[in-house]
Amino acid sequence: ILNVEQSPQSLHVQEGDSTNFTCSFPSSNFYALHWYRWETAKSPEALFVMTLNGDEKKKGRISATLNTKEGYSYLYIKGSQPEDSATYLCARRRDDKIIFGKGTRLHILP
Amino acid sequence: EAGVTQFPSHSVIEKGQTVTLRCDPISGHDNLYWYRRVMGKEIKFLLHFVKESKQDESGMPNNRFLAERTGGTYSTLKVQPAELEDSGVYFCASSLGSYNSPLHFGNGTRLTVT
Repeated sequence: ILNVEQSPQSLHVQEGDSTNFTCSFPSSNFYALHWYRWETAKSPEALFVMTLNGDEKKKGRISATLNTKEGYSYLYIKGSQPEDSATYLCARRRDDKIIFGKGTRLHILP
Repeated sequence: EAGVTQFPSHSVIEKGQTVTLRCDPISGHDNLYWYRRVMGKEIKFLLHFVKESKQDESGMPNNRFLAERTGGTYSTLKVQPAELEDSGVYFCASSLGSYNSPLHFGNGTRLTVT
């Protein structure tokens, strides 16, 4: 993997269901992995910054895990709510850049 | 604490004209980044300042784009002359500077070149 890749590109989830999606990144020269939440007509907001292999972080119903050796991170949302509808971006620090993936667009269905 | 502010929020200019975008980072944030999103695609890195120094400008598309950060406070991004493909949303973000510091984004400037 040369760049930050996110899957799926888009996801529809029933309200109340739990979901997860993936960020894959080059595992070499790893510094940090960022997750952001981007609502329509707003600017991206930071959820987590993760640096250590095996790291797990949690904020309310949202949590993330990190595997730096194999180059992936999962974002989990438990009991999805309408306000969770947004694009979730992951980003990897590489040298002096922070490079973003294309995001996973999450739609919560009532 | 005031967040990252960008000005203007929207700009419509004709091809060949010049536009200057401004970003005021959070006070005390040495790191300042410019990104742009074109045609609803992903956020693309443009460049990174640490204080007044350009750390990485490898994402700048061509020499029509010039970024400055005099005095290490606010930053400007000038596009001269603007082309149609420069249309998009330009985001500025700042961070405290350590590699595990999150980015704080401004609301972006939507640039339309006609």
